[in-house]
Amino acid sequence: QLHLQESGPGLMKPSETLSLACTVSGGSISNSDYYWAWIRQPPGKGLEWIGSIHYSGSSFHRPSLKSRLTLSVDTSKNQFSLHLSSVTATDTAVYYCARPMTPNDAFDIWGPGTMVTVSS
Amino acid sequence: QSVLTQPPSASGTPGQRVTIACSGYNSNLGTNDGYWYQQLPGTAPKLLIYRNDQRPSGVPDRFSGSKSGTSASLAITGLRSEDEADYYCVSWDDSLRGWVFGGGTKLTVL
Repeated sequence: QLHLQESGPGLMKPSETLSLACTVSGGSISNSDYYWAWIRQPPGKGLEWIGSIHYSGSSFHRPSLKSRLTLSVDTSKNQFSLHLSSVTATDTAVYYCARPMTPNDAFDIWGPGTMVTVSS
Repeated sequence: QSVLTQPPSASGTPGQRVTIACSGYNSNLGTNDGYWYQQLPGTAPKLLIYRNDQRPSGVPDRFSGSKSGTSASLAITGLRSEDEADYYCVSWDDSLRGWVFGGGTKLTVL
């Protein structure tokens, strides 16, 4: 059974770069045609798709974040990562990683999420 | 402002039928499938409906979905207290080239 687990800093200061990793267990990140995704949820608010990445490195992003966002994959660690530069308080959120049900569907497997707080 | 529009709240009494609507555009629900998620407090979203009207295994048949034109709908029959949660609709958007979510609907079981 596939499991996803996010890991990250928890607390950070404005202008820093947020780095999160999603470790995939129970299956290989490179044995499929999926675009693995990042989704976030600010406190008390709705869900927001951030971006998705294929194990080949091909990716696509939310337009409003594109200038600050980098997605990457490390197949040797069976991980994919998110890097978001110049964070502000508006980037405070629970960050989830997720896998789509099929390459053409939305997400059926989610990690438990990790809270990231940006505060001075 | 979410690309897909949902009512912020809905409510019903146990045993009732409740529907939650999701309004979109040609570039998303008008062309692509709709999905529904249930999110209980403090937990990750759970897939309830995929490809407009399909239920993953394990999801009770009290939950059903439909799509017409640029709108999707989630219906819950035989409402139970454990259905109290936030519900989100999702679709792919061809113009934005990304996944778009509704703002979420908080369902209260009275």
